[in-house]
Amino acid sequence: AQKVTQAQTEISVVEKEDVTLDCVYETRDTTYYLFWYKQPPSGELVFLIRRNSFDEQNEISGRYSWNFQKSTSSFNFTITASQVVDSAVYFCALSEVSGNTPLVFGKGTRLSVIA
Amino acid sequence: DAGVIQSPRHEVTEMGQEVTLRCKPISGHNSLFWYRQTMMRGLELLIYFNNNVPIDDSGMPEDRFSAKMPNASFSTLKIQPSEPRDSAVYFCASSFDLEEDTQYFGPGTRLTVL
Repeated sequence: AQKVTQAQTEISVVEKEDVTLDCVYETRDTTYYLFWYKQPPSGELVFLIRRNSFDEQNEISGRYSWNFQKSTSSFNFTITASQVVDSAVYFCALSEVSGNTPLVFGKGTRLSVIA
Repeated sequence: DAGVIQSPRHEVTEMGQEVTLRCKPISGHNSLFWYRQTMMRGLELLIYFNNNVPIDDSGMPEDRFSAKMPNASFSTLKIQPSEPRDSAVYFCASSFDLEEDTQYFGPGTRLTVL
């Protein structure tokens, strides 16, 4: 069965620090998709990135970067030079192509960036 | 482009009342999902539809919960009768297809049952 673990419940950093949010997943499928979503204090869930299991290239988007490593079943998310606006709950999620559940979410990591 | 639209954004009701939450998916999306989010249980998938057909409702907590999708542009989640433990944020999401595409979420409906 698919499972996503975000071991860090809460992280607090000072503005301009770099921070990495960990995500470890379990799946028996060879084809699957990994996602990150952001939930700011306003409550909406915002899609950040989608990655398929055959593409292990790291991705960078501005201050955001993602490190996908199949060998360790991890899909970690790094924010460089964090800002107060990055304060949110971040969810990692997994979708198995052949699975019964379209999307399985981790419990989320609450990031607080302090000015 | 319009995203997923949910209404109402906030609902306060008394125990025993019927509650209906509404969702309009992104145009062209074939799959629709209803989630519930609480502090205790996090994000839970309640039910999802593909091409207007319910595929899996195993996440629906009780018979008091029901969901319909009468057409490609509208879905409802109904709770009857409502109970205080139903208080949560209910999200609707849609995707182009069932498993290989990103789910886009609506703003959510915050339900409070007194």
